[in-house]
Amino acid sequence: DTEVTQTPKHLVMGMTNKKSLKCEQHMGHRAMYWYKQKAKKPPELMFVYSYEKLSINESVPSRFSPECPYSSLLNLHLHALQPEDSALYLCASSPLPGQGIGGYTFGSGTRLTVV
Amino acid sequence: AQKVTQAQTEISVVEKEDVTLDCVYETRDTTYYLFWYKQPPSGELVFLIRRNSFDEQNEISGRYSWNFQKSTSSFNFTITASQVVDSAVYFCALSEALQTSGAGSYQLTFGKGTKLSVIP
Repeated sequence: DTEVTQTPKHLVMGMTNKKSLKCEQHMGHRAMYWYKQKAKKPPELMFVYSYEKLSINESVPSRFSPECPYSSLLNLHLHALQPEDSALYLCASSPLPGQGIGGYTFGSGTRLTVV
Repeated sequence: AQKVTQAQTEISVVEKEDVTLDCVYETRDTTYYLFWYKQPPSGELVFLIRRNSFDEQNEISGRYSWNFQKSTSSFNFTITASQVVDSAVYFCALSEALQTSGAGSYQLTFGKGTKLSVIP
């Protein structure tokens, strides 16, 4: 299995809602990532998990809360989002440094609309 | 800090023309990885190629070819005999490996992308 699976594919939520994005991989990767991509822009890194521990938070607002309960699952909890948070959210996974970067894989993304 | 520059914002070509997408990068590391991704209107990032900094061999895959030159910090991508299905945004990306306390990760830094339109 060489895929990263993201659910849901599309999500519309109100500014007072709480929702979660889910990302799964079964390649044995121990590094997982959340990227955010606004329209007509490149993906930008949000969070990095390494060995299920948050290793990098790129100054992301607290209304985005990541969670990595075990090595194959990465969640992104959303609360009190703003319309400007509407974007494509991409998950990725990779081996750790020293194990080769082969297999760095992106999911197909969740397209989020905040109304 | 690492940086990727794709100077061409948009390119239009007529079907069957060849087209080259430019990518210039900056990094202080001697070990790094370069990628090209295709993003069609549907939104998913389609992996095209990965190169490590020690492998300067050019590569050809069907109508696609890549020219990696460390001397000029460039990793250019050529599509030969373009087709309408090649219309997409193409991203060049650079990754360094970050070691932190025995763990670590690879983080991709993307260029701004080049939107390619192939006209029938």
